[in-house]
Amino acid sequence: AQTVTQSQPEMSVQEAETVTLSCTYDTSENNYYLFWYKQPPSRQMILVIRQEAYKQQNATENRFSVNFQKAAKSFSLKISDSQLGDTAMYFCAFMIDSRSGQNFVFGPGTRLSVLP
Amino acid sequence: KAGVTQTPRYLIKTRGQQVTLSCSPISGHRSVSWYQQTPGQGLQFLFEYFSETQRNKGNFPGRFSGRQFSNSRSEMNVSTLELGDSALYLCASRMTGAPRETQYFGPGTRLLVL
Repeated sequence: AQTVTQSQPEMSVQEAETVTLSCTYDTSENNYYLFWYKQPPSRQMILVIRQEAYKQQNATENRFSVNFQKAAKSFSLKISDSQLGDTAMYFCAFMIDSRSGQNFVFGPGTRLSVLP
Repeated sequence: KAGVTQTPRYLIKTRGQQVTLSCSPISGHRSVSWYQQTPGQGLQFLFEYFSETQRNKGNFPGRFSGRQFSNSRSEMNVSTLELGDSALYLCASRMTGAPRETQYFGPGTRLLVL
């Protein structure tokens, strides 16, 4: 069975500092996609960043970057220059696209608080 | 473009009843996925519809069903409600459902089963 683990249920960071959220996953598939989603309090879930497993280069989106270690099955999210608006639940997820269809699996989430 | 909309936003039902939730995807999006979010189980994939056909299905009992209409709007039905069905139900849409496409989530329907 495919699983996603986020070992940090809660984290906090001071505004303007850098924080890294960890994520590990388990799958026997070779082709898959990894995602970080953000769910702010009482607001809609939005995609933060996406990584395709066949790409070795780590994805970056402005202040957000990932450290993708395929062999270790690790996919951490780094947030630089943290802002108050980054306060949210962060979900790591992966998707396998196989002949039997797509299978999305989400981690339990990390609640990040950015402190002024 | 309007985002993904879900109705109703809040719902209270009692055990044994059934419920229907609705999701309108972003205009032009033909893939709609449904998720259940609970504090205990986290976010779990229910099913995905594309062009009125169920394309993918998660590991949920048959009490959970859905359908998609020709305008891509989707409904999800839960029959014989149980207390454990209390959750936030999210839907998400994509253009075609290809892996590279971004999923856009709706605000969710919060269901409370008493």
